[in-house]
Amino acid sequence: DAKTTQPNSMESNEEEPVHLPCNHSTISGTDYIHWYRQLPSQGPEYVIHGLTSNVNNRMASLAIAEDRKSSTLILHRATLRDAAVYYCILRDDPNTGTASKLTFGTGTRLQVTL
Amino acid sequence: DTGVSQDPRHKITKRGQNVTFRCDPISEHNRLYWYRQTLGQGPEFLTYFQNEAQLEKSRLLSDRFSAERPKGSFSTLEIQRTEQGDSAMYLCASSSTGGINTEAFFGQGTRLTVV
Repeated sequence: DAKTTQPNSMESNEEEPVHLPCNHSTISGTDYIHWYRQLPSQGPEYVIHGLTSNVNNRMASLAIAEDRKSSTLILHRATLRDAAVYYCILRDDPNTGTASKLTFGTGTRLQVTL
Repeated sequence: DTGVSQDPRHKITKRGQNVTFRCDPISEHNRLYWYRQTLGQGPEFLTYFQNEAQLEKSRLLSDRFSAERPKGSFSTLEIQRTEQGDSAMYLCASSSTGGINTEAFFGQGTRLTVV
């Protein structure tokens, strides 16, 4: 599985936008970029994923570099409930690829303060 | 459907005992995964099933670990002769294949403490 690199931790003020970076310089053409987050004492939860184009959903936006070697998860207005560990994961197409599993790194711990 | 459920939520056992955990996935999901997570680390993949077939096992899954999904619905993870190093959170996840909604949904995990 291709590896990703994320900062260990980041801080944000509540109500401010947060940009969480991820580097994946060895990404292959069939790898999707997935983001999951893990709130304290919870299992991970899906946030967003994309292949080439930027993606938006109700939770966040995903900006993907043109060369696909990096991406940024954007939380438009951080709240205290967004404090979590955010994982950037490369995953083969689960419909056609054989590498169905998610391979987690250590993620970015996001702290949100008032 | 209330999502992925795991039982028990907590288990304390003595070293050398056997333990079994259960995972009930989201009902229409055909894929089921087991992960292990220790403090400060991301979840580590153990194994996954598509329907009742176990398609991949990690090297982390020693001979003392066995997982089953006999009818392609719920799954069990058994650890025999537990060791203190087995203390961790054991997470189960499920997903579907086909279509666009293939994200994995995780349960809240079973926290195992081996004393």
